[in-house]
Amino acid sequence: EIVLTQSPGTVSLSPGDRVTLSCRASESVAGNYIVWYRQKPGQAPTLLIHGASSRATGIPERFSGSGSATDFSLIISRLEPEDFAMYYCQQYGSSPITFGPGTRVDIK
Amino acid sequence: QVQLQESGPGLVKPLETLSLTCSVSGGPIETYYYNWIRQTPGKRLEWIGDIKYNTENTKYNPSFKSRVTMSVDTSKRQLSLKLKSVTAEDTAIYFCARSVLIGYYHYWYFDLWGRGTLVTVSS
Repeated sequence: EIVLTQSPGTVSLSPGDRVTLSCRASESVAGNYIVWYRQKPGQAPTLLIHGASSRATGIPERFSGSGSATDFSLIISRLEPEDFAMYYCQQYGSSPITFGPGTRVDIK
Repeated sequence: QVQLQESGPGLVKPLETLSLTCSVSGGPIETYYYNWIRQTPGKRLEWIGDIKYNTENTKYNPSFKSRVTMSVDTSKRQLSLKLKSVTAEDTAIYFCARSVLIGYYHYWYFDLWGRGTLVTVSS
């Protein structure tokens, strides 16, 4: 199975800051089939990005995704208060589906 | 608007069988794949498997394959998950989630999730 590694584990930032989150795969992800989710405490994950770089319906432009093969990134251009949360990448290029361990974005 | 809601016992004894249901309301259901995903106390997400509603075809994560059974009750618009011989490591929040359907193509990422239900394995 494909193992996903996310970095950093935790990052502490201020509202308005820009952040880049990394997701690295143990092997090339077919079709660049990577998605990103945001999860707020006590809630289910919310889809942000699919196909590595396509924003999901209703997701603000401050979220963007990039990358290919084994290295992928989620960029949040200006952090809003609701963006202080956990972020997960997931690959759906091969079975079994796997998730990264997550990155926590905290308020400094 | 389609909604998913998980339900089931919050406490299961070791070596017994965990049984959960996912009720689907508010929209079309037949052509989708539905997945069970769990989140451990350490916040890790694990895909358990999926089931196609109208065919009941299943695919399970090899990590769970020997212990898991998924099924559908069409009369109740419900999906079910059974996980046998549980241990403390099966303590988690269990989510059902729908795979994305674009045209005729299914993609295994998830745009619709239930709120999840916490299951604790303890004697």
